[in-house]
Amino acid sequence: KQEVTQIPAALSVPEGENLVLNCSFTDSAIYNLQWFRQDPGKGLTSLLLIQSSQREQTSGRLNASLDKSSGRSTLYIAASQPGDSATYLCAVRGDGGATNKLIFGTGTLLAVQP
Amino acid sequence: SQTIHQWPATLVQPVGSPLSLECTVEGTSNPNLYWYRQAAGRGLQLLFYSVGIGQISSEVPQNLSASRPQDRQFILSSKKLLLSDSGFYLCAWSKGVYEQYFGPGTRLTVT
Repeated sequence: KQEVTQIPAALSVPEGENLVLNCSFTDSAIYNLQWFRQDPGKGLTSLLLIQSSQREQTSGRLNASLDKSSGRSTLYIAASQPGDSATYLCAVRGDGGATNKLIFGTGTLLAVQP
Repeated sequence: SQTIHQWPATLVQPVGSPLSLECTVEGTSNPNLYWYRQAAGRGLQLLFYSVGIGQISSEVPQNLSASRPQDRQFILSSKKLLLSDSGFYLCAWSKGVYEQYFGPGTRLTVT
């Protein structure tokens, strides 16, 4: 059974810092991995999708990497801003017969202090 | 472009009352559709998913049910709500195994 873990559970940084959020998964047979952000009381916003054949994806100040064999992904946020404060979730989509659903981590709550 | 709508945005219902939450997707056809629940302090729990009209897969046995009467419409229902049904309900869609997109959610409080 796939399990997804995110460390740390919470993180507070001063504005301008670069930071890394971690995501690990127990079953390396994944089709893709997706990073989301969730603002309080809102739905999830998709940030980046990495296919299992890819090593990284970039969007603006965000860079996500994937090491499928070791079951790890990181989300790098450059030059953090107070507007980046949110909960960040990673989710993996299984391979083979398990492609119909995403398995989510419990998230990292990020606070960027002005 | 594609958009996903959920209503109502908030709902307060007494225990034992029925429930109907609706989700619609615009700008795509034959999407996979999903219902999730997010309880306070807990992660996202997949409740149901659908790969086509009338095709529903249930992930968690409970007093909720889902239906897909039209290609881009997904409905979450209950005949009698429990206190434990309180939470934030999220609908999502994807094109097959590709990027998944979420709606704005419905906050349900059962009193």
